[in-house]
Amino acid sequence: SQQGEEDPQALSIQEGENATMNCSYKTSINNLQWYRQNSGRGLVHLILIRSNEREKHSGRLRVTLDTSKKSSSLLITASRAADTASYFCATESAGGTSYGKLTFGQGTILTVHP
Amino acid sequence: NAGVTQTPKFRVLKTGQSMTLLCAQDMNHEYMYWYRQDPGMGLRLIHYSVGEGTTAKGEVPDGYNVSRLKKQNFLLGLESAAPSQTSVYFCASKKGSKPQHFGDGTRLSIL
Repeated sequence: SQQGEEDPQALSIQEGENATMNCSYKTSINNLQWYRQNSGRGLVHLILIRSNEREKHSGRLRVTLDTSKKSSSLLITASRAADTASYFCATESAGGTSYGKLTFGQGTILTVHP
Repeated sequence: NAGVTQTPKFRVLKTGQSMTLLCAQDMNHEYMYWYRQDPGMGLRLIHYSVGEGTTAKGEVPDGYNVSRLKKQNFLLGLESAAPSQTSVYFCASKKGSKPQHFGDGTRLSIL
């Protein structure tokens, strides 16, 4: 079963606007990660936030985590056409034997129009 | 470094045929994973390995077998391919608490 549910499924914006994607999950986690996938390519890691962190920044990316609501959001500021891709959240379950296994959401397709 | 390399990139099989997908990583990573990606469903874990000579089942292991005889290679086998196994297959590897690195995928169609 899919741990993460992402919202919206698709997002279309103009260059320069901000894009916000949300992810919800069901069980306790060690960390939550966001990945990007360009069409026809593999996933590229963007950012990781641990369960004891509430917010993290990396360049134009801002990730928040609310463990009480079991939800996370990814904000991309000042979007560019090159940000067009699918974005996935993935959770690593809590516990010492997770072995780094990830459970992925179904993804958000972001289209940024020039 | 090449990172994670998947072979082949594309393949068409007939129902009942067998094949092996190869994943190779040159980063000396301990952990390796095989996922499948279907439309609208994100990635689902098939099998994984925490080190040379060890494998374990993931979320959707039925119909697949794996082997990790060498640390750098993780093989995914389909003994008798079924149309339900038409998918894009991704391999990933990681070291310690670092994030996973993904290959570019193998697109498999089973007729």
